[in-house]
Amino acid sequence: ETGVTQTPRHLVMGMTNKKSLKCEQHLGHNAMYWYKQSAKKPLELMFVYNFKEQTENNSVPSRFSPECPNSSHLFLHLHTLQPEDSALYLCASSQEHPGTGSTDTQYFGPGTRLTVL
Amino acid sequence: GQNIDQPTEMTATEGAIVQINCTYQTSGFNGLFWYQQHAGEAPTFLSYNVLDGLEEKGRFSSFLSRSKGYSYLLLKELQMKDSASYLCAVSDTDKLIFGTGTRLQVFP
Repeated sequence: ETGVTQTPRHLVMGMTNKKSLKCEQHLGHNAMYWYKQSAKKPLELMFVYNFKEQTENNSVPSRFSPECPNSSHLFLHLHTLQPEDSALYLCASSQEHPGTGSTDTQYFGPGTRLTVL
Repeated sequence: GQNIDQPTEMTATEGAIVQINCTYQTSGFNGLFWYQQHAGEAPTFLSYNVLDGLEEKGRFSSFLSRSKGYSYLLLKELQMKDSASYLCAVSDTDKLIFGTGTRLQVFP
């Protein structure tokens, strides 16, 4: 248990479906992240939220839409996905220190294994 | 550009020692992390190096040379449960840049 939970753990969806991934952190952190992990590729940073404000959007297609209602919860809304979007989606959190430019250790959730048919 | 290189796969025998290397080229550097990831599970934090030298934590040690853009993770007295992927990640200002990970298989 890392203090970061994700639901669902597995998701199969068609290209026309709309679904959402949920992440919750119980560590009191102020920054949350979405990553995509595909086979034989590095973890790809998708979105970063610091103090509930989105500070990074790493050229992610608009069919992925993040939402951060508070510092403990993070969502990733999915619509009209493509088969190549099938991957493991990981959420992480950390404690950021504004103005220092430093990254504290990130703690990851177990991920959602997404399959797009 | 940003680049993190580590071997794709390694094998070793139970009880042995294995060293997983990582070389990096990033525009900024605020430290290097190693994570362990078992199949289907979350990456878990192993170590953090920001200064040159060796950090030891039980059976695991991590080394950093900033001038060479090089790090290694050393695993001693290997156990079957150490079979996992090991991810090298560099903190570049405010974000982590990951390598592809090294899949380690430990055989009896």
